[in-house]
Amino acid sequence: QVQLQQWGAGLLKPSETLSLTCAVYGGSFGTSWWSWIRQPPGKGLEWIGEIKNSDTTSYNPSLKSRVTISLDTSKNQFSLKLISLTAADTAVHYCARGGGPIDSWGHGTLVTVSS
Amino acid sequence: DIVMTQTPLSLSVTPGQSASISCKSSQSLLHSDGKTYLYWYLQKPGQPPQLLIYEVSSRFSGVPDRFSGSGSGTDFTLKISRVEAEDVGVYYCMQSIELPLTFGGGTKVEIK
Repeated sequence: QVQLQQWGAGLLKPSETLSLTCAVYGGSFGTSWWSWIRQPPGKGLEWIGEIKNSDTTSYNPSLKSRVTISLDTSKNQFSLKLISLTAADTAVHYCARGGGPIDSWGHGTLVTVSS
Repeated sequence: DIVMTQTPLSLSVTPGQSASISCKSSQSLLHSDGKTYLYWYLQKPGQPPQLLIYEVSSRFSGVPDRFSGSGSGTDFTLKISRVEAEDVGVYYCMQSIELPLTFGGGTKVEIK
């Protein structure tokens, strides 16, 4: 059974860059899609993007200009970078396996953007 | 983007009774491969979402048979039979027929 462990900075200032990493244990890393999803406090879920292999990525058009998702197959890890942060980016960010269905989730990292 | 609309926004259910949640999509989720890419998730308080149902009606591993999904095209329903206290949380539908993946706004289920 796959397990996902994620980490990264939780408090950032406007204009800074969000950087989160997710380590995958027990899963078929090379053959799965890996996603990032976020959830503003008290609100619903927003898909950020996904990656499979190092050269196959898809992003939500609403974030595409600011997002990069990358893969490190040597470490079974994938990462999220989101630049030019504003307060509207404050959310719990989840890493997850799959692009449909999404069947395994990390515990989530609250990223707060505040001056 | 495909818009997913859930109703009701919230539901208060007596233990042992049943509950139904509706999800409507702005376009058909039936793919040319014959599959319908509609999923249901439950997010319990303080936890990430967990997959309940995939492809409209298939229960994910370990999901009790009290949960069932139905529907086709653009109209879908999640039914919870014999609701238990552990079923509280927010239920979301999600589509993956087209990127970006999109979720419904959620239905909060609480116990009376």
